[in-house]
Amino acid sequence: AQKVTQAQTEISVVEKEDVTLDCVYETRDTTYYLFWYKQPPSGELVFLIRRNSFDEQNEISGRYSWNFQKSTSSFNFTITASQVVDSAVYFCALSEAWGRRGKLIFGQGTELSVKP
Amino acid sequence: EAGVAQSPRYKIIEKRQSVAFWCNPISGHATLYWYQQILGQGPKLLIQFQNNGVVDDSQLPKDRFSAERLKGVDSTLKIQPAKLEDSAVYLCASSPEGNTIYFGEGSWLTVV
Repeated sequence: AQKVTQAQTEISVVEKEDVTLDCVYETRDTTYYLFWYKQPPSGELVFLIRRNSFDEQNEISGRYSWNFQKSTSSFNFTITASQVVDSAVYFCALSEAWGRRGKLIFGQGTELSVKP
Repeated sequence: EAGVAQSPRYKIIEKRQSVAFWCNPISGHATLYWYQQILGQGPKLLIQFQNNGVVDDSQLPKDRFSAERLKGVDSTLKIQPAKLEDSAVYLCASSPEGNTIYFGEGSWLTVV
């Protein structure tokens, strides 16, 4: 069965600190997609990144970076020089590539609080 | 480009009453999803439509929940009768071909 685990329930940092959000997944599929979403207090899930299982290159987008390691089934998310606006709940998610295409399996979420 | 629109944003009802949520996906997106997010948890898929056909409703409590997507565009999710444990945020999402799913702001339901 597919499963996503975000072991960190809450993280609190001070502005300008770097912070890494952990994500570990389980799947028997050889082809799959991994996602990160941000959920601010307004409730909308904001898409941040999608990574397919054949692409293990790390990605950087501004202050955000992602480290995908198939060997450890992890897809971790780092925010460099955190800002108060980064405060939100962050979800890691997994989807199958075939069959029930697009169905997302979410982790429990990590609530990030960035204090000024 | 307009995002996924949902209404109402907030609803409070008594148990055993009924409620309906409406969703308008991003224009041109063939796939539409309804997710349920209970406080403190990640969203869970209730139902997935491809155009106006159901792809996956395996986790939809069919004795009280129903959903339709007439004409393959807008969708309505109904709960009747509501239970206390249905208190949650109901998120509508849509996607074009490919696996990136875009979410609306959600409809927050409180059952008292």
